[in-house]
Amino acid sequence: DAKTTQPTSMDCAEGRAANLPCNHSTISGNEYVYWYRQIHSQGPQYIIHGLKNNETNEMASLIITEDRKSSTLILPHATLRDTAVYYCIVRVRSGAGSYQLTFGKGTKLSVIP
Amino acid sequence: DTAVSQTPKYLVTQMGNDKSIKCEQNLGHDTMYWYKQDSKKFLKIMFSYNNKELIINETVPNRFSPKSPDKAHLNLHINSLELGDSAVYFCASSPWTSGPLETQYFGPGTRLLVL
Repeated sequence: DAKTTQPTSMDCAEGRAANLPCNHSTISGNEYVYWYRQIHSQGPQYIIHGLKNNETNEMASLIITEDRKSSTLILPHATLRDTAVYYCIVRVRSGAGSYQLTFGKGTKLSVIP
Repeated sequence: DTAVSQTPKYLVTQMGNDKSIKCEQNLGHDTMYWYKQDSKKFLKIMFSYNNKELIINETVPNRFSPKSPDKAHLNLHINSLELGDSAVYFCASSPWTSGPLETQYFGPGTRLLVL
């Protein structure tokens, strides 16, 4: 899996949008960008994924640059329950390696009242 | 209303012991999984069961034996524990057989430490 770089930590005011950046300059053509999070003492929670187009679901939006070397996860209205470590992971979606994840250090997002 | 639960949350034991980790899901899913996450935070699948039938069996030592009494439960029994078994073990479930990783709901994990 390609390597990713994320800021160590970020703060966000409750109710505001949280924008979490990720660099993945060595991403290959068949690798997707995935975002997961882990709230303290809980298992990994899938948020969103994309290949090259921007994606939106009920949890978040994912903006991927045209060259696919970086992306931004957007939580449109952060709540206190969104405080967690967020992981940006690039990986294949099928075949060998599709049932494994390599978590980097992630970004610790603190949502402040 | 926990979706996927695991017990125990922490497990500290001596080398050579036999231990079990239990997993239950109340989502009505047909497929359950066991994953191992090592100290480098690499999460890898070990087993998957669909409706009590073994579907995926990755290359893990045969000291590890999953048991599924019904489709809501998938327990993991480990014989003759070794130091290298220390890790976090996650149970997961999904509504589809061998569903992609993003369709899987993970439990809180069991932190196993073998001394």
